[in-house]
Amino acid sequence: AQKITQTQPGMFVQEKEAVTLDCTYDTSDPSYGLFWYKQPSSGEMIFLIYQGSYDQQNATEGRYSLNFQKARKSANLVISASQLGDSAMYFCAMRGLSYNTDKLIFGTGTRLQVFP
Amino acid sequence: KAGVTQTPRYLIKTRGQQVTLSCSPISGHRSVSWYQQTPGQGLQFLFEYFSETQRNKGNFPGRFSGRQFSNSRSEMNVSTLELGDSALYLCASSADTSLAKNIQYFGAGTRLSVL
Repeated sequence: AQKITQTQPGMFVQEKEAVTLDCTYDTSDPSYGLFWYKQPSSGEMIFLIYQGSYDQQNATEGRYSLNFQKARKSANLVISASQLGDSAMYFCAMRGLSYNTDKLIFGTGTRLQVFP
Repeated sequence: KAGVTQTPRYLIKTRGQQVTLSCSPISGHRSVSWYQQTPGQGLQFLFEYFSETQRNKGNFPGRFSGRQFSNSRSEMNVSTLELGDSALYLCASSADTSLAKNIQYFGAGTRLSVL
């Protein structure tokens, strides 16, 4: 079985500061992908960043980076230089790669609020 | 390139009715997945379609069904609506499931309220 755990229901960060959103996972699949999505109040899920289980380096996409620690089964999202527009729900998700499926398992999410 | 389009955006139904939601994937994408999002249960996988075939199904009752057409557009249907079916229904499409880094792109969702 696969499981994603996000233990921070809410986080506050000041504009221009960095923030880390925690994500731990559990899976018996030897090969998997980890994703972070942002969901503004409008509802649409916006893809942010991807990390494959066999990737040697941590993924980065602009102001987003993923701190991947495979032994600890953690995939924390780091947002640098926070902006007011970063205020949203953030979801960590996992997809097993051993089977030909797109099915994503999501965590419960973290609500990030950026203040001036 | 247009994104994933879901229609309608909002829907109000009463218990016992049925509803059909529509999803048009990104052009060229052949895989479509559906998710239900509620405050209590979070985001849950409903089903996945590829080339008009259901490839995977989540743990939902048979009242929830879906299909995919030859142009990759997908519909999901919920019959005999219950109050607990009130949720945001999200559709996602992707290009090539065989790739490890296969990104699912989501639509804005259909918000269903059952009264």
